[in-house]
Amino acid sequence: NAGVTQTPKFQVLKTGQSMTLQCAQDMNHNSMYWYRQDPGMGLRLIYYSASEGTTDKGEVPNGYNVSRLNKREFSLRLESAAPSQTSVYFCASRLNKGYEQYFGPGTRLTVT
Amino acid sequence: KNEVEQSPQNLTAQEGEFITINCSYSVGISALHWLQQHPGGGIVSLFMLSSGKKKHGRLIATINIQEKHSSLHITASHPRDSAVYICAVYPGGSQGNLIFGKGTKLSVKP
Repeated sequence: NAGVTQTPKFQVLKTGQSMTLQCAQDMNHNSMYWYRQDPGMGLRLIYYSASEGTTDKGEVPNGYNVSRLNKREFSLRLESAAPSQTSVYFCASRLNKGYEQYFGPGTRLTVT
Repeated sequence: KNEVEQSPQNLTAQEGEFITINCSYSVGISALHWLQQHPGGGIVSLFMLSSGKKKHGRLIATINIQEKHSSLHITASHPRDSAVYICAVYPGGSQGNLIFGKGTKLSVKP
């Protein structure tokens, strides 16, 4: 079991460029999450998918879109990157409500 | 005011010391997570608990639902315990998305 995997690990973008962060889990989990982590702010929820075929906004969704491609994969897209999106992005998954979350290794994104 | 508060924000200890990290929250919850993040590393779940106490090796987590408070204890601390420890809660009666504290940065000196 690889658990939760994320690609890429590091990325540098110029302002206005677009990119997609990929996340996959092999634990047959129903729910998946995208977070960002900024110094002094803690982890904040961007979007989540409670089950395959559904997505919902979290605390900080502006500037992002997501796709729950299938049960395994949940991608996060930045259409036009801004310096304020410089952050570390974590994907997570859990089986169902009431179960613990498992986190991916993170993607460190810098927007210049 | 943040819904999940951790104290202290930073903690330096000598190897072998007993360490306590505290977490207070202001919402009703269904469960609480303690997470560990090593420098530059990913996030690992240490415990999820909704009552009482759990123990894993040198780590002990307790929760008092009435007082809205949880503690993470590390016995016989070691430099490899140096990490950021994050408390997160599942609000009760909702979709159940986590609310995170800002973390406690622990440094254990040899």
